[in-house]
Amino acid sequence: DAKTTQPNSMESNEEEPVHLPCNHSTISGTDYIHWYRQLPSQGPEYVIHGLTSNVNNRMASLAIAEDRKSSTLILHRATLRDAAVYYCILNAGNQFYFGTGTSLTVIP
Amino acid sequence: GAVVSQHPSWVICKSGTSVKIECRSLDFQATTMFWYRQFPKQSLMLMATSNEGSKATYEQGVEKDKFLINHASLTLSTLTVTSAHPEDSSFYICSARKQGANTEAFFGQGTRLTVV
Repeated sequence: DAKTTQPNSMESNEEEPVHLPCNHSTISGTDYIHWYRQLPSQGPEYVIHGLTSNVNNRMASLAIAEDRKSSTLILHRATLRDAAVYYCILNAGNQFYFGTGTSLTVIP
Repeated sequence: GAVVSQHPSWVICKSGTSVKIECRSLDFQATTMFWYRQFPKQSLMLMATSNEGSKATYEQGVEKDKFLINHASLTLSTLTVTSAHPEDSSFYICSARKQGANTEAFFGQGTRLTVV
């Protein structure tokens, strides 16, 4: 399973946009880029996923670099409820292997 | 999104006893479910892949005789921690994916196991 690299932690002010980076330089052509987030004492929650093109949904946007070696999860307006650990995962097969993720702190 | 439900949410058991955790996909059929374990301030570690009607596939280092997995139907998988010890205390999480290529995964709310 290809690995991802994320910053351990980030901070954002409430109601400002947040850009969460993920490096995946060993990504293969069939790997999808998935993002999940986990609030304390809860199971992970799906955020977004994509292959090559940028993706938007009601929760976030996913910007994928042209060479696919990196991606950025964009939260357009951070709220206190967005404080969580965000995991970037490459997936081609059936399983998901989690890395260390980025702990996002949202400052009121 | 789809719903995956785990039961119980938390359990306390005595050392040496066994504990069963249920994972159900409520609104879709899951031929494959996954079990994770998470220790405090750490990431999720995949334990095993549960296949409906067949034996589970365990990740390296996970004892199959200690963590019994049964996937008897398309909507239910169970994890039994046998002869539990305090070091088995952890947060156990299941997940499932809908059939189809490159679908997202849905996770249960997790089960907090404390062995005393």
